[in-house]
Amino acid sequence: QMQLQESGSGLVRPSETLSLTCTVSGGSLETDSYYWDWIRQPPGKGLEWVGSVYYTGTTYYSPSLKGRVTISIDTSNNQFSLNLSSVTAADSAVYYCARENWDDLDDGFDVWGQGTMVTVSS
Amino acid sequence: DIQMTQSPSTLAASVGDRVTLTCRASQSVTDWAAWYQQKPGRAPTLLIFKTSNLNPGVPSRFSGSGSGTEFSLTITDLQPDDFATYYCQQLKAFGQGTKVEIK
Repeated sequence: QMQLQESGSGLVRPSETLSLTCTVSGGSLETDSYYWDWIRQPPGKGLEWVGSVYYTGTTYYSPSLKGRVTISIDTSNNQFSLNLSSVTAADSAVYYCARENWDDLDDGFDVWGQGTMVTVSS
Repeated sequence: DIQMTQSPSTLAASVGDRVTLTCRASQSVTDWAAWYQQKPGRAPTLLIFKTSNLNPGVPSRFSGSGSGTEFSLTITDLQPDDFATYYCQQLKAFGQGTKVEIK
């Protein structure tokens, strides 16, 4: 059974870059059935899609974050990563990595990491 | 961009109740929506995909319906484990959530 695990810095200073990695076990990233996504949730608030990457390296980003977000994939190490630049306190959130299942077209985000809290503070 | 609006924001119910949560899309792009359950401090879990398909392992008291811009999640015979926050999702957009509380 596939599992996802986020890792990275839990504290980032304002104006710096947030960097997180999602390590996937129990399956390969190199499949045309899935997209690999980042979703965040500020404390006490709802879910916000950040962006996604396909195994080919094709990326899609939230328009509200475009210009600050970069997602990359490393299929040899079964990892994908998120970089968010010029962070402010508004970027403080629990960040989840998730598998978006398109095996039979739009089957939802069916596997999630446990999430990692990132706080932006000096 | 699609906006998903859920109602109500909070719903108070009792064990054994039948509850219906609704979700409205700002435009009709697809007839598919998904629903997630989230408990405090935990990641969301997928309940329903493609509007009405139950994710494996999800109890049959959960059901989904809808099309176009209107979607709903119904829980029959509400159980103690069902008190949680529920999110709808279409493409990359999530609703703001409905919290199901104990009455």
